[in-house]
Amino acid sequence: AQKVTQAQTEISVVEKEDVTLDCVYETRDTTYYLFWYKQPPSGELVFLIRRNSFDEQNEISGRYSWNFQKSTSSFNFTITASQVVDSAVYFCALSEPQGAQKLVFGQGTRLTINP
Amino acid sequence: DAGVIQSPRHEVTEMGQEVTLRCKPISGHDYLFWYRQTMMRGLELLIYFNNNVPIDDSGMPEDRFSAKMPNASFSTLKIQPSEPRDSAVYFCASSDWAFSGNTIYFGEGSWLTVV
Repeated sequence: AQKVTQAQTEISVVEKEDVTLDCVYETRDTTYYLFWYKQPPSGELVFLIRRNSFDEQNEISGRYSWNFQKSTSSFNFTITASQVVDSAVYFCALSEPQGAQKLVFGQGTRLTINP
Repeated sequence: DAGVIQSPRHEVTEMGQEVTLRCKPISGHDYLFWYRQTMMRGLELLIYFNNNVPIDDSGMPEDRFSAKMPNASFSTLKIQPSEPRDSAVYFCASSDWAFSGNTIYFGEGSWLTVV
């Protein structure tokens, strides 16, 4: 069965610090997709990134970067120079490879950026 | 482009009453999902449709829950009768496998409180 573990329940840092959110997954599939979603205090779920299992290149988008390592089954998310607006709950998710596209979510990491 | 649209955003109802949540997926998307978010269970998939046909409803908690998708632009999730333990945020989401390659986009959620 597929499983996503976000071991960090809560993280609190001071603005401008770098912060890394950990995500470890389990799956027997060789083809799968990994996602990160952001849930700000307003409650909506915002898509951040999708990564397929064949693409291990790290990705950078502005202050956000993602490190995908199949060897350790991890897909970590780093925010550089954090800002108060980054405060949210962040979810890592894993999807089935074919057709269903069902997402299995981790429990989420609540990130608080203090001014 | 309009995202996934859900209504109502907030609903407070008394135990035993019928609740109907509504969703309009992103135009052209052929998958529609209903997820539920609670503190205890996190984000869990209730049911999903492909081309208006229910594919997997194994996540629907019990017979009090039902979902329909009469056409490509509308879906409902109904709870009858509602119970306090149904209090949660219900998310509708949609995706288009061919175009967005497995990326699932979420609505803003319907916050349900059953008293």
